[in-house]
Amino acid sequence: DAGVIQSPRHEVTEMGQEVTLRCKPISGHDYLFWYRQTMMRGLELLIYFNNNVPIDDSGMPEDRFSAKMPNASFSTLKIQPSEPRDSAVYFCASSLVPGQGDQPQHFGDGTRLSIL
Amino acid sequence: GNSVTQMEGPVTLSEEAFLTINCTYTATGYPSLFWYVQYPGEGLQLLLKATKADDKGSNKGFEATYRKETTSFHLEKGSVQVSDSAVYFCALYEYNFNKFYFGSGTKLNVKP
Repeated sequence: DAGVIQSPRHEVTEMGQEVTLRCKPISGHDYLFWYRQTMMRGLELLIYFNNNVPIDDSGMPEDRFSAKMPNASFSTLKIQPSEPRDSAVYFCASSLVPGQGDQPQHFGDGTRLSIL
Repeated sequence: GNSVTQMEGPVTLSEEAFLTINCTYTATGYPSLFWYVQYPGEGLQLLLKATKADDKGSNKGFEATYRKETTSFHLEKGSVQVSDSAVYFCALYEYNFNKFYFGSGTKLNVKP
């Protein structure tokens, strides 16, 4: 089991550029979550999908943020245009049935995003 | 609403000291409770969990008991090691909302 795979691990870009973060969930997992982690705000849920359908995007901070899940094995989080305050670590997580089982959520290693 | 509050860090201890990291929660229903650990440069890993009142979760010498009367889920370990240095997150899962709610994290530094 390869776990949740995120790419890139690090991204440094200039303000105004489009940023695309990628996630490959664990095969067979029906749920996929995107989180943002900052020192000031801790770990925030941005959006989650069930069977590729966005269920709750109430955590998406602005219209500059968008997320898609075109198939069961791939999801993207886009920021356009990016701003310095978007700098954070972005985590993707997947699960079978959230909150249950031995591993209620499997996290990727995160993408550290720096907007200059 | 649902929320998790945990003690601010960093917490600095000497090796073999006793650890307590406090966590309290508010929930509209009957949540499951979790402790996650994050090592530098990595994602969160489940440390332990409890799904109902009075359950005790345990793993790797860490323990936490689900206390409904005090809405708490404090993390404890009798003798910490340098390798326990990490950030610890308390979390609840609310089935009605199908969401996890995480605390702000507590950084633990263990000195040899």
